[in-house]
Amino acid sequence: DTEVTQTPKHLVMGMTNKKSLKCEQHMGHRAMYWYKQKAKKPPELMFVYSYEKLSINESVPSRFSPECPNSSLLNLHLHALQPEDSALYLCASSQDSQGAYGYTFGSGTRLTVV
Amino acid sequence: AQSVTQPDIHITVSEGASLELRCNYSYGATPYLFWYVQSPGQGLQLLLKYFSGDTLVQGIKGFEAEFKRSQSSFNLRKPSVHWSDAAEYFCAVVPSGSARQLTFGSGTQLTVLP
Repeated sequence: DTEVTQTPKHLVMGMTNKKSLKCEQHMGHRAMYWYKQKAKKPPELMFVYSYEKLSINESVPSRFSPECPNSSLLNLHLHALQPEDSALYLCASSQDSQGAYGYTFGSGTRLTVV
Repeated sequence: AQSVTQPDIHITVSEGASLELRCNYSYGATPYLFWYVQSPGQGLQLLLKYFSGDTLVQGIKGFEAEFKRSQSSFNLRKPSVHWSDAAEYFCAVVPSGSARQLTFGSGTQLTVLP
């Protein structure tokens, strides 16, 4: 298995809702990442998990809450989002946090906040 | 400041023509270098990567890239473009040192004319 699987592919949520994005990989990678991508822009790093521990939080608002239950799973819990949080959310993984072999990306979750 | 730059926002080529997408980086030490491709609404696919050694790197889908240390460049090339190559192309780096996260250039949008 050489894929990163993200669910759901599309999500529409209201500003008072709570939802979660899920990411799964079975490549034995020990680092996992959440990126946010706005239209016509490059992906921007949000969080890094290395060996299931949060190692980097790029000053992301607390309405985004990551979780890494085990080495294969990464969740992003969403609460009280704003319309400007609408974006493509990409999950990625790499063999380790050194990133030397590149990252494998999922196809993303297209999030719309109404 | 450390950065990765893609000078061309948008490039248009005719099908069958050759292609070169430019990427320049500004880091004290040569970072790991990558090219990714993103089709509309999709995740990112790794085309090729450079760590060390041979400066001409072969990738998937007929792409190649050449690392030129003297010019701090890592340009992507393809001898004959197909209509299916129309997409957004991102150059990305993993710097040496402590902040070893994948950082993207601003991207180049490729349009292919029939």
